[in-house]
Parts: sequence; structure tokens; C-alpha cells
Amino acid sequence: SQKIEQNSEALNIQEGKTATLTCNYTNYSPAYLQWYRQDPGRGPVFLLLIRENEKEKRKERLKVTFDTTLKQSLFHITASQPADSATYLCALDPDNFNKFYFGSGTKLNVKP
Amino acid sequence: NAGVTQTPKFQVLKTGQSMTLQCAQDMNHNSMYWYRQDPGMGLRLIYYSASEGTTDKGEVPNGYNVSRLNKREFSLRLESAAPSQTSVYFCASSEGKLGYTFGSGTRLTVV
Repeated sequence: SQKIEQNSEALNIQEGKTATLTCNYTNYSPAYLQWYRQDPGRGPVFLLLIRENEKEKRKERLKVTFDTTLKQSLFHITASQPADSATYLCALDPDNFNKFYFGSGTKLNVKP
Repeated sequence: NAGVTQTPKFQVLKTGQSMTLQCAQDMNHNSMYWYRQDPGMGLRLIYYSASEGTTDKGEVPNGYNVSRLNKREFSLRLESAAPSQTSVYFCASSEGKLGYTFGSGTRLTVV
């Protein structure tokens, strides 16, 4: 069966460090992968999209990599801040129908 | 600057009752979606509509129906609610590959 796996354990890091979150998938060959941020009691907010032919994408302090051989995406937040504390979700579009399937998310806690 | 508006925000139903969750977007997006989010399960796609007049099933469509009333509105109906449908429901819209815009969710409890 198709799976999108994100670490269910919370990631706790110190302010100023780089946070790295992982998204692994099996039995997909997605053309697109997205990352979202979700705060408690709110809907997810779109952050970045990366295409299969892009190895890396950056936006301000955010960086996403996409390794189609390893079937893995890494999401980095550099110089992390307490305000970055949230749950981060990855999502894949396996059929290129603009219909995304989501992982269950990883909670990031940035401590001052 | 509303984006995606969902109503109601909270609802408690008794088993067997019916209700319709409403969703409207003001961004002129073609595609609209309904997801449910349960602890540890992530977001699961219930139904989607690629454009006005079309709807299709997602991962977990059983027990639900949808209507794409026009380009702005996409409603989700529970005909006979069951406790297993207790969840947080999110509506989203998108245009191309620019990422989804989500509503703030409806928290539904079925007792």
C-alpha cells in the first residue's frame, strides 16, 4: 500500500539551531511534493512546493530537498525561533491530478 | 481577504442525524477538497472537485456525499452520522500547483 511517513515523535531543538524534518514515502512516484505548517486549532498553511526535477528549493530560512531515488524529502529551518514551533506536514501528488495525500506530520518545539 | 470559509466551526450530532458542512472560497480557484483529520492519521481526502460540475471520491468517501454548487461553494453531507465520523473536517481550494488554501476547520462530534 502507499505510505507517507513522518516522524511521529516531536522534535525538540534549541533556538538558533537548524531543524530538519523528514518525509519518507513508499510506492509513489510523485511529480510534486509540498510542505505545510499547522498550528493548533488551525488549518494547514502552504509553505513550499518542490518538483521531481528540482533537487532543492529555498524560501527565506526554509529549505526543502527532494530525493526521488531515496523516496525522501527533507525540510530544514535554519536559525530556528520559538515562533517556528508547530506541526509540519508533507504532501504528495502521486498522479499529477493536483490531488495531494498528506503525512501525519511532525511536531517541532523550538525552545528559547 | 476571507480565503476559504467553513461553517459551522463546531457541531455535536447524535448518531443517525444528518448535517451539511458548508465551504466557500473567494479566490476563484477551480479545485476544491474535503479532508478529515484524526489524531495520528493525518489528513485524509474524502472527496474533491477538480472544477465546477465535477466531483470524485478520495481515500475515505464512505458515509459522505458532496455537492459542488458553483465555482465558489463545495458542501459535504453526512446522511446518517456515526461515531466514527467524529473528526475535524477541513475544506481546501487550489489553482494549479500553487498549494492548497485551507479553511479553519469544523470540529464534529457524533455521540
